[in-house]
Amino acid sequence: GESVGLHLPTLSVQEGDNSIINCAYSNSASDYFIWYKQESGKGPQFIIDIRSNMDKRQGQRVTVLLNKTVKHLSLQIAATQPGDSAVYFCACAQGGSEKLVFGKGTKLTVNP
Amino acid sequence: DTEVTQTPKHLVMGMTNKKSLKCEQHMGHRAMYWYKQKAKKPPELMFVYSYEKLSINESVPSRFSPECPNSSLLNLHLHALQPEDSALYLCASSQSGTGLYEQYFGPGTRLTVT
Repeated sequence: GESVGLHLPTLSVQEGDNSIINCAYSNSASDYFIWYKQESGKGPQFIIDIRSNMDKRQGQRVTVLLNKTVKHLSLQIAATQPGDSAVYFCACAQGGSEKLVFGKGTKLTVNP
Repeated sequence: DTEVTQTPKHLVMGMTNKKSLKCEQHMGHRAMYWYKQKAKKPPELMFVYSYEKLSINESVPSRFSPECPNSSLLNLHLHALQPEDSALYLCASSQSGTGLYEQYFGPGTRLTVT
């Protein structure tokens, strides 16, 4: 089955720095990838997604990079702010599947 | 509007009680999901409804019983739960059940089983 792992369970950055959160997946048939932000006491919040026919997608202050060769996904947050402090989950799905498989999560702490 | 609402926010129940969790979305989404999340863990899929039909049951114990009365509503009926069932229960919805659209999550119901 699919497994999704994060390289670091915690990440601490200074306000204004760029943050990079990494994720690895195991199933080469995965073709949809998504990042969520979860603040304490809240449900996961959609950040950005990418399909396997792309290798980069940008949003507001966020960029997702997909490397299908090594089955690696990353989330870059530019000019990180204290409000970005949260747990970030990557998740992926295989085409036609309704099931998202979540990674373990990285806790991002932004120091002022 | 990308809002999924869940009630109640918090629920404390004994092991002999029967209770229900409710979820609602008005985005016209045709797929709805129940997840269970333990502390410091990722969400775990429990059930998927696609076009109001149960399409995935992740081998969830029968003390959890989902129901989809219509395309906007999703319920989770709880009966004879165990203390280890205490968790955050999250509802989500997506445009369709093909797995290729983002899922929007509600705030969750924090369940404590005593």
